[in-house]
Amino acid sequence: AQRVTQPEKLLSVFKGAPVELKCNYSYSGSPELFWYVQYSRQRLQLLLRHISRESIKGFTADLNKGETSFHLKKPFAQEEDSAMYYCALLKSGAGKSTFGDGTTLTVKP
Amino acid sequence: TAGITQAPTSQILAAGRSMTLRCTQDMRHNAMYWYRQDLGLGLRLIHYSNTAGTTGKGEVPDGYSVSRANTDEFPLTLASAVPSQTSVYFCASSTSGEGDTQYFGPGTRLTVL
Repeated sequence: AQRVTQPEKLLSVFKGAPVELKCNYSYSGSPELFWYVQYSRQRLQLLLRHISRESIKGFTADLNKGETSFHLKKPFAQEEDSAMYYCALLKSGAGKSTFGDGTTLTVKP
Repeated sequence: TAGITQAPTSQILAAGRSMTLRCTQDMRHNAMYWYRQDLGLGLRLIHYSNTAGTTGKGEVPDGYSVSRANTDEFPLTLASAVPSQTSVYFCASSTSGEGDTQYFGPGTRLTVL
């Protein structure tokens, strides 16, 4: 069965510090991995997906198949990055849509 | 375009009562999904639909039913609500079913007393 694990429920860093939100997955096939973000009182929105290999709002994430990881990184955190972040494995065609438990990131001034 | 909308925004429901949560999208997406969001448990898939006329069970389908009569609407029904169904419910849609970006609605906060 597929699984997405985000080991940290809470993560707190100071503004300007680097931040890494961890995500590990287990899936027998070729994964489609995403990071979603939910700002306070807003809907979930896509932050980035591994297939696009782009940087959004300074965040990047690299798929490491050897370590089965898809960690989200940003070199210099900003206060507006404070939010809930979800890692997701979306193989929706077969109803295999799995989100991690989420990590709440707080960036302190 | 409105994107994906949900109604109601919030609801308090007595246990044993039935309720339908509405979800509408105007993006002509084929696939739609219902999730529940619970603290410490993340998002869990309840039901999904790959295309109009078809539905499937997700991770936590018990106590919920869905229908997909047309492309735009994907209502979620609780036939006889129980307190454990207190949650925030999110509807989502994607272009097709395979690994596409899912777009989420604003959520419905349901409290079952």
